[in-house]
Amino acid sequence: DQQVKQNSPSLSVQEGRISILNCDYTNSMFDYFLWYKKYPAEGPTFLISISSIKDKNEDGRFTVFLNKSAKHLSLHIVPSQPGDSAVYFCAASGETSGSRLTFGEGTQLTVNP
Amino acid sequence: DAGVTQSPTHLIKTRGQQVTLRCSPKSGHDTVSWYQQALGQGPQFIFQYYEEEERQRGNFPDRFSGHQFPNYSSELNVNALLLGDSALYLCASSHGGAQETQYFGPGTRLLVL
Repeated sequence: DQQVKQNSPSLSVQEGRISILNCDYTNSMFDYFLWYKKYPAEGPTFLISISSIKDKNEDGRFTVFLNKSAKHLSLHIVPSQPGDSAVYFCAASGETSGSRLTFGEGTQLTVNP
Repeated sequence: DAGVTQSPTHLIKTRGQQVTLRCSPKSGHDTVSWYQQALGQGPQFIFQYYEEEERQRGNFPDRFSGHQFPNYSSELNVNALLLGDSALYLCASSHGGAQETQYFGPGTRLLVL
């Protein structure tokens, strides 16, 4: 039972354009969502998070949008840079699951110069 | 301020052997979570330790066990290794409350032959 899904295994964009990474979840008890970036041979690096009481959170070039009714969130990166090329994971946690994180399968983002 | 550290970085074992992986949390963090990441998948939650006790556990067999020490560092032990245990093992630390961001270490790459 995959409770967090990232349906696009890969995404390729041009430098300077917007990157949009999507994530869907099925567990309505999830109330906290995070995005992590992972380079090869490194652990996941925290990017940005959002609580279910908000529908948008912004931090520099990164913005996360949450649509609770659709159980969907997205990460926008504007403008995209070649250094953003990495695997991006969506993760979720909820009151009933404590602080354990449930991850999606990841999306490989490639930003071309 | 040191982040999350893990040792060793790489490990090769044979089937049936036992392995111990180690993790030191980020300064000020009291909770340690362990995740297994198989190739091409997102991290899967193994268990979480807080106040030297296992607080939550994912869907992993009893061959996987852990420990947390008074200084909040942690160990993950895996007995009777199987080929399928080959993966990247990630440690994450946090303050442990709900909606607390987890910060990951670089991981230990385990190969079981």
